[in-house]
Amino acid sequence: EAQVTQNPRYLITVTGKKLTVTCSQNMNHEYMSWYRQDPGLGLRQIYYSMNVEVTDKGDVPEGYKVSRKEKRNFPLILESPSPNQTSLYFCASSLGTGINQPQHFGDGTRLSIL
Amino acid sequence: GESVGLHLPTLSVQEGDNSIINCAYSNSASDYFIWYKQESGKGPQFIIDIRSNMDKRQGQRVTVLLNKTVKHLSLQIAATQPGDSAVYFCAENFPKNNNDMRFGAGTRLTVKP
Repeated sequence: EAQVTQNPRYLITVTGKKLTVTCSQNMNHEYMSWYRQDPGLGLRQIYYSMNVEVTDKGDVPEGYKVSRKEKRNFPLILESPSPNQTSLYFCASSLGTGINQPQHFGDGTRLSIL
Repeated sequence: GESVGLHLPTLSVQEGDNSIINCAYSNSASDYFIWYKQESGKGPQFIIDIRSNMDKRQGQRVTVLLNKTVKHLSLQIAATQPGDSAVYFCAENFPKNNNDMRFGAGTRLTVKP
């Protein structure tokens, strides 16, 4: 089954404790992206990757890092999490970008930073 | 800045009725639009898309209408069912900004039995 898998689904942690949210897709997609979703706001892009070893900042990259060493994986790293990073996070992938390239989303990771 | 928005944050309909969810966009250069459905505890799920050179596209029980004159997008759901209860949001693609995809905040659709 074609899917985007995120882990963990839920995490409660404390300020300053490094964490990684993994994302894996099995569709051989070149484009992958991370978003955060906050109440009343649309999905906001954190980072994206057009292909292996190619990553770029989205709209809200501060406090986050990513890497793309393999095509299927795109982990999101919070080196020193802070409470304002409490949010619902989604990983997405697509074959490419633009017309007829809808993104496929994972089921989300809810992070609570105390 | 330019953004994708929604006219109504919530919509409640009776089972069997038709639903119409609206979306306003501000970038006249956007060339591609998508409607997503997000159920509680799940990620956004693709429903239907439309290119800017079209004004209507139909799927199974869903129709998307695009009015470029007023920069308006709508999703029509026929014979709404309880399983249609979810948050629906639209997304637009900005081709001139590296195909940047922008998402609206969403409308919560509740279907009453």
